Amino acid sequence: DAGVTQSPTHLIKTRGQQVTLRCSPKSGHDTVSWYQQALGQGPQFIFQYYEEEERQRGNFPDRFSGHQFPNYSSELNVNALLLGDSALYLCASSPEARVPEAFFGQGTRLTVV
Amino acid sequence: QKEVEQNSGPLSVPEGAIASLNCTYSDRGSQSFFWYRQYSGKSPELIMSIYSNGDKEDGRFTAQLNKASQYVSLLIRDSQPSDSATYLCAVNSDYKLSFGAGTTVTVRA
Repeated sequence: DAGVTQSPTHLIKTRGQQVTLRCSPKSGHDTVSWYQQALGQGPQFIFQYYEEEERQRGNFPDRFSGHQFPNYSSELNVNALLLGDSALYLCASSPEARVPEAFFGQGTRLTVV
Repeated sequence: QKEVEQNSGPLSVPEGAIASLNCTYSDRGSQSFFWYRQYSGKSPELIMSIYSNGDKEDGRFTAQLNKASQYVSLLIRDSQPSDSATYLCAVNSDYKLSFGAGTTVTVRA
C-alpha cells in the first residue's frame, strides 16, 4: 500500500518563476492538506482540499493556489516566486472520517535563487 | 502569542533515560492533539494522537493531555539513539493542524 507520494523531491527555481508541486494521497484518503516548512520551524498550514474544493486556508497570499482532482490527487501552485518561498513543501492526506490525523509525504524541497 | 509553543531544545538525554517534552496551545476549542517525529531531512511521522484528558500509552511513548491547562506532553521511556530526532507538537482546530517549532532530542550512548 503506497503512502503519500509527492513529486518532484527537489526543485530549483528562479525568482519570479512559477512552480507546480504534485501529491498523490494514501489509498483510501480523500482529504489533502499542504504545508510549508521553513528550516528550523514547524510546518505552516497552507490549505486543505476536500471534494475538489478548498475547505480551509491558512495565512498565505493568493500567489499560493491549489487544485484537487477527482482521484483525490492534488497540486500546489506558487506564482511569482520569492526567495522566502524556499522551504520544504509537505502534502498530508487523511480520510475524511478521521481528519485531522494526517500522514505526510516525503516532501518537495524548493529552492528559489 | 504563538498558537502552539514547545519547550526550547535541544534536549540531550542518556540512553535508557526518560525524555520529557512539553507543549502548550492557545485555542481552547482544540479537540485533538498529535505528536510527530521528524528525522533530519525527512518528513514528519505521526507517532501519537490524543483526544481526551489523561494519559495514553503506546509502547515506550506516553502522551498526556490537560485541556484545562492547555497542555500536552510526551514522555519517551528507555530512550534509544534511534529516538534522536525533532519532535513536533500539533493541535487541530477547524480542520487545520497548527504545529510548534519542535524540540530536538539527542540520545547519547
